Amino acid sequence: KAGVTQTPRYLIKTRGQQVTLSCSPISGHRSVSWYQQTPGQGLQFLFEYFSETQRNKGNFPGRFSGRQFSNSRSEMNVSTLELGDSALYLCASSLALGETQYFGPGTRLLVL
Amino acid sequence: SQQGEEDPQALSIQEGENATMNCSYKTSINNLQWYRQNSGRGLVHLILIRSNEREKHSGRLRVTLDTSKKSSSLLITASRAADTASYFCATETGKLIFGQGTTLQVKP
Repeated sequence: KAGVTQTPRYLIKTRGQQVTLSCSPISGHRSVSWYQQTPGQGLQFLFEYFSETQRNKGNFPGRFSGRQFSNSRSEMNVSTLELGDSALYLCASSLALGETQYFGPGTRLLVL
Repeated sequence: SQQGEEDPQALSIQEGENATMNCSYKTSINNLQWYRQNSGRGLVHLILIRSNEREKHSGRLRVTLDTSKKSSSLLITASRAADTASYFCATETGKLIFGQGTTLQVKP
């Protein structure tokens, strides 16, 4: 079974731009979660989707948004990028809410 | 904010020795999970222990959970150089909240 895939793997943007990251979960997994990882703040929960509905959200500003499609694929969007948004963005999928999460390789975003 | 706090932050041992990492948390949990991360790559799930379980084993890994003390420990026995990585505990409370992690270095 193919693992979680994330595209793109690397991205360079400038302040003020917006970015869309994509995540394809493991086949059959209906829950997708997103995390931001930085050296200073560590791994922080962004949001979780299940059956196209956002079930939980972390403490991030409204510039961070996401959605899930009927095939469980998910996208997250960050608008009006700031330097502090530079991070590794990780997506994880699971069969159900609260269960073992399987992580993708991440998208490394650099904001200049 | 971080739910889990891990101790130690860094650990350096020789191959063959055991490594113990501890995790403390603040609120009631549904389960607690341990993950490994190699050099800024994606996380790999190691073990999930539910709130009504006290101990769980998987190969060279042993995880304990003490809900009365709100703490968990991960023991890696007979460590190998390939175990060098960062280890994170994560508490499930409706969402998964990660600790800051323990960086383990296993010297050959």
